[in-house]
Amino acid sequence: QQQVKQSPQSLIVQKGGISIINCAYENTAFDYFPWYQQFPGKGPALLIAIRPDVSEKKEGRFTISFNKSAKQFSLHIMDSQPGDSATYFCAPGYAGKSTFGDGTTLTVKP
Amino acid sequence: NAGVTQTPKFRVLKTGQSMTLLCAQDMNHEYMYWYRQDPGMGLRLIHYSVGEGTTAKGEVPDGYNVSRLKKQNFLLGLESAAPSQTSVYFCASSDSTGSDEKLFFGSGTQLSVL
Repeated sequence: QQQVKQSPQSLIVQKGGISIINCAYENTAFDYFPWYQQFPGKGPALLIAIRPDVSEKKEGRFTISFNKSAKQFSLHIMDSQPGDSATYFCAPGYAGKSTFGDGTTLTVKP
Repeated sequence: NAGVTQTPKFRVLKTGQSMTLLCAQDMNHEYMYWYRQDPGMGLRLIHYSVGEGTTAKGEVPDGYNVSRLKKQNFLLGLESAAPSQTSVYFCASSDSTGSDEKLFFGSGTQLSVL
């Protein structure tokens, strides 16, 4: 039974558009909700993270929205740029106890 | 500042051979982790360490062993490699766990077992 379900699997957006990636989880014990960004041939890098006592967090063009009752959190990328083309992973929970989603490949077309 | 360094970057093994992957971090982090990443999947935790001399099993520990003899190094061993262990391996470290946690990843080791 999959604990973390990420959608969509792939996403194509025009430059300047909004990219939205969703993550649904089952384990209500998760207490930390990060998104990672991975470029080809590189390791993942923490992009933005949220704690469950906050419903939204914004850092530049990146926003996390969190819905505790629905057990979902989303990544919104505003004004998407070709440099944002990468694979994005949600990984609810602290390292050592977290589960990574299968990833969303984002392509931003110029 | 090198961050997290993994060696080697690429390796091809024959079934049954053994090897050790080295992860070194220069940030004085307490916590270190080994993950594997297979095509179309997220990272899965193999083993981790919460400090020098300690190790613990993750989600997929079978077929792997680890050691953390020095704080800055975390070694991942394959005693008898199998084709199912063909994967990209990532090491990560952090100085804390919890809501202040920030994982720093290495650039990965691509391992093929024939």
